[in-house]
Amino acid sequence: EAQVTQNPRYLITVTGKKLTVTCSQNMNHEYMSWYRQDPGLGLRQIYYSMNVEVTDKGDVPEGYKVSRKEKRNFPLILESPSPNQTSLYFCASSLSQAGNTIYFGEGSWLTVV
Amino acid sequence: QKEVEQDPGPLSVPEGAIVSLNCTYSNSAFQYFMWYRQYSRKGPELLMYTYSSGNKEDGRFTAQVDKSSKYISLFIRDSQPSDSATYLCAMNTGFQKLVFGTGTRLLVSP
Repeated sequence: EAQVTQNPRYLITVTGKKLTVTCSQNMNHEYMSWYRQDPGLGLRQIYYSMNVEVTDKGDVPEGYKVSRKEKRNFPLILESPSPNQTSLYFCASSLSQAGNTIYFGEGSWLTVV
Repeated sequence: QKEVEQDPGPLSVPEGAIVSLNCTYSNSAFQYFMWYRQYSRKGPELLMYTYSSGNKEDGRFTAQVDKSSKYISLFIRDSQPSDSATYLCAMNTGFQKLVFGTGTRLLVSP
């Protein structure tokens, strides 16, 4: 079954405590992305990756890091989380560059206090 | 002004109604247009996509793109309570970066 798996699904953390949200896909997709979803703002892209070791900033990259050491994994790192990073995060992978075959993970609810 | 505008709703309709969901956009370079459905506490799932202008039909769903007006629509015929969800439009130029609307919440009552 085609899957994008994120962990953790729910997390409450404190300001400044580094955390990593993992993402793994089993479809051999080259393209992977991270989005955050906030009320009234919709889905906004944080970072994306076109292949192993190739990443680029999306619309809201500040405060986040990513890495793509393996094709299937694309972790999102918050080095020093702040309350304004409280959000619902989605990892996505896609087959084509056009993005019309994007698969989303189930989401990770992150609260920073 | 946002690149993609979408009425947040909620849009409430009775079961069996025809639903019309719409988005407008400002970037004339957009070529791929998509509709995603998102149930509460779930990730968005791709419902339909269209390349350039025209119509596309899939069962009870019809997607329309009017590039001259920078306007896209999703029609749902014979709406069901299971269609209750948030519908997100999305579009891009052909590269990875998708631009999403904020979503329209649809409620279909039995």
